[in-house]
Amino acid sequence: DAGVIQSPRHEVTEMGQEVTLRCKPISGHDYLFWYRQTMMRGLELLIYFNNNVPIDDSGMPEDRFSAKMPNASFSTLKIQPSEPRDSAVYFCASSRYSSNNEQFFGPGTRLTVL
Amino acid sequence: KQEVTQIPAALSVPEGENLVLNCSFTDSAIYNLQWFRQDPGKGLTSLLLIQSSQREQTSGRLNASLDKSSGRSTLYIAASQPGDSATYLCAVRQEETSGSRLTFGEGTQLTVNP
Repeated sequence: DAGVIQSPRHEVTEMGQEVTLRCKPISGHDYLFWYRQTMMRGLELLIYFNNNVPIDDSGMPEDRFSAKMPNASFSTLKIQPSEPRDSAVYFCASSRYSSNNEQFFGPGTRLTVL
Repeated sequence: KQEVTQIPAALSVPEGENLVLNCSFTDSAIYNLQWFRQDPGKGLTSLLLIQSSQREQTSGRLNASLDKSSGRSTLYIAASQPGDSATYLCAVRQEETSGSRLTFGEGTQLTVNP
């Protein structure tokens, strides 16, 4: 398996623009997670899905952030409008429901909002 | 609210040395604990996962222990090599009736000098 795939790997945009990050989880995994990593706050869980249904979005910072999972093999994280403080590395991870739920991470998308 | 702390924040050692990284958590009602490695500009790689019922897990030169009652885990790296240089993160999953939320520590940045 290719692992968790994220695109783009790098994104530079201007304040106010819409940003869409994409994730393809590992085939057969039924949990999908979106995390944000910054120097100030470390790794934070934004939202996670189980069987394409959002379970916990309490980490989503504000209404400018939204996430969807239209099917088992694809998810998006959208920021509209983007702000400079959204600059961070965004990771997607997936896991299979099992006794351990080990999470596997994608390479991340480095977002810079100017 | 679960809080995870890692000590030290940074560690520099000569090649060949055995070393221990520490992780502590405030809420001992965890389901499991996972150690990750993160290389600069890269995603997270899962190293070891310990279930709450286990005391330790081993993989090659790595050994992770868990003392759930005292809220502590250690990652032992034997005969360290320059290729071990990375940031090491621990994360705990709470006992929950549903969900797979991970809470991460801030990480220990390890440098192994040749």
